[in-house]
Amino acid sequence: NAGVTQTPKFRILKIGQSMTLQCTQDMNHNYMYWYRQDPGMGLKLIYYSVGAGITDKGEVPNGYNVSRSTTEDFPLRLELAAPSQTSVYFCASSYGTDPLAYYEQYFGPGTRLTVT
Amino acid sequence: QQPVQSPQAVILREGEDAVINCSSSKALYSVHWYRQKHGEAPVFLMILLKGGEQKGHDKISASFNEKKQQSSLYLTASQLSYSGTYFCGTGGDNYGQNFVFGPGTRLSVLP
Repeated sequence: NAGVTQTPKFRILKIGQSMTLQCTQDMNHNYMYWYRQDPGMGLKLIYYSVGAGITDKGEVPNGYNVSRSTTEDFPLRLELAAPSQTSVYFCASSYGTDPLAYYEQYFGPGTRLTVT
Repeated sequence: QQPVQSPQAVILREGEDAVINCSSSKALYSVHWYRQKHGEAPVFLMILLKGGEQKGHDKISASFNEKKQQSSLYLTASQLSYSGTYFCGTGGDNYGQNFVFGPGTRLSVLP
């Protein structure tokens, strides 16, 4: 198993540009998450998904959009990039059976994004 | 609401013990612990659930005081490989929406 994979690893965007961060998992997990981590800080949840076709906002969703058309893929879209979106973005996945909180999250290697 | 972690940072010598604390102002159903090495992704360590159920690594132990909404991670006989930032994540009953990570505790183990 490759686990959770993310592309690209690094990206530099100009203010106002858009891009999509890709995330794929091959563990058949139904829960998937997007986090951002600013330098020296903790992880903040952007969006999460409980299965294909179902997504919901996390703590910091503004400026981002997601979709989940398959179990494996959970892309994150940045529209009109701003310097405040400079961060490391982690995708994660977990099983989603009762009790949900019993299952650990598996993280991808991250995408380091700089907006200038 | 983000949990509070203490201490913010700790420096140890190999073989010494450390305790990292995590507390929340709201009722908790679960506490997760993860370790992140510099430039890498967080890695799972422990899960503790309300009611006493837990799972995780054999060499790491943790406690969960449901009444005080607190959890502690115990690192005994620390090794160089224990260095990294430790995050607790806390959640209420609505797991996905309410799961929040703490700011992290930076642990450095010196030879």
